[in-house]
Amino acid sequence: DARVTQTPRHKVTEMGQEVTMRCQPILGHNTVFWYRQTMMQGLELLAYFRNRAPLDDSGMPKDRFSAEMPDATLATLKIQPSEPRDSAVYFCASGPQGSETQYFGPGTRLLVL
Amino acid sequence: GDSVTQMEGPVTLSEEAFLTINCTYTATGYPSLFWYVQYPGEGLQLLLKATKADDKGSNKGFEATYRKETTSFHLEKGSVQVSDSAVYFCALNDYGQNFVFGPGTRLSVLP
Repeated sequence: DARVTQTPRHKVTEMGQEVTMRCQPILGHNTVFWYRQTMMQGLELLAYFRNRAPLDDSGMPKDRFSAEMPDATLATLKIQPSEPRDSAVYFCASGPQGSETQYFGPGTRLLVL
Repeated sequence: GDSVTQMEGPVTLSEEAFLTINCTYTATGYPSLFWYVQYPGEGLQLLLKATKADDKGSNKGFEATYRKETTSFHLEKGSVQVSDSAVYFCALNDYGQNFVFGPGTRLSVLP
């Protein structure tokens, strides 16, 4: 049963530190999404890739966040420097070509102190 | 811009009760509509979807009909179980360019 995997599952860090979250999309999927989930804002789309090219990152704070796909099996979301307001659950999702369905990973729960 | 509105939660029901979770949307085009479910500590899972007006999506006893005239996609289930307790998200995808999720509705089903 193919699944999206995310690492780490939990991360506690101090303000100002760099945080890197990793996602392995389902093999063969060509779209990758990064979302942030908080109680106050709900689920927010941060970035969206198709065939490893960024199509939309308008939801991402550009000054501290960056998202990349070094290859088809790895997507990364980096925060530098991190701030307490970045505390949230970050989800990665992937989707196959020609389908609108997204398959979500289990999330990375980030706490910035 | 596109948006999705869901009924406020939490919704608390007794087992075997009828469930309705309202969802309405605004979109510039003719989006595909989705219901996702999130169980505690997990990511979202697709529950059902509909891609055009009057389509009915169904899965695991849940149903939703794409109503273009009322811009709605209400989720229904005839008899809920304790295992249905989760957060339900209505979402739209507008021509593959714009993905919007509603705020989620928490459902608690009591035995």
